Amino acid sequence: GEDVEQSLFLSVREGDSSVINCTYTDSSSTYLYWYKQEPGAGLQLLTYIFSNMDMKQDQRLTVLLNKKDKHLSLRIADTQTGDSAIYFCAEEGLGQGGKLIFGQGTELSVKP
Amino acid sequence: GAVVSQHPSRVICKSGTSVKIECRSLDFQATTMFWYRQFPKQSLMLMATSNEGSKATYEQGVEKDKFLINHASLTLSTLTVTSAHPEDSSFYICSARFGSNQPQHFGDGTRLSIL
Repeated sequence: GEDVEQSLFLSVREGDSSVINCTYTDSSSTYLYWYKQEPGAGLQLLTYIFSNMDMKQDQRLTVLLNKKDKHLSLRIADTQTGDSAIYFCAEEGLGQGGKLIFGQGTELSVKP
Repeated sequence: GAVVSQHPSRVICKSGTSVKIECRSLDFQATTMFWYRQFPKQSLMLMATSNEGSKATYEQGVEKDKFLINHASLTLSTLTVTSAHPEDSSFYICSARFGSNQPQHFGDGTRLSIL
């Protein structure tokens, strides 16, 4: 089946940029998403990108998509302690009725 | 916009009890709602997809008689865990979207603990 992979942990210092990476296998992906999950909470949609785009920027967040390499990244500029959370990458394949395939999640730790 | 409310946020009950979890889209009409299960320190596992007025589509390995899903209106879907047992203890999260080219928006989840 289709697969989405992420590194499990990332630690950065407050004020630095964070880059969270994700790779996927589904060549028919239509949309790719980034969600944030804080402890004990649901998922918060951060941003998403359509597969025919290379980049999307929204305030401190920049999403880069390399469709050839099936690589997605999320860059958080000026990372704050409140950004500490688990970040999930997810992809939606064509004709899958909206079914999302999630990565394992990357735990971002921001140190003051 | 795009707020999804899930209720209750936490349930603790005895083994054998049936538990109903509600998922509501507050400011949009959800054509499709999804139910996920998440184990500690793990990713989300899709359990089923439900479209308003239709029977839910369950993922392989998910018992439809155990996890009853009803999507009676465009703003409400319910998941009932029937005769719950300790192994059903988990974090259940719903999501909803208002069109086929729209992202899923998630509720805050329900922590279910079966004693």
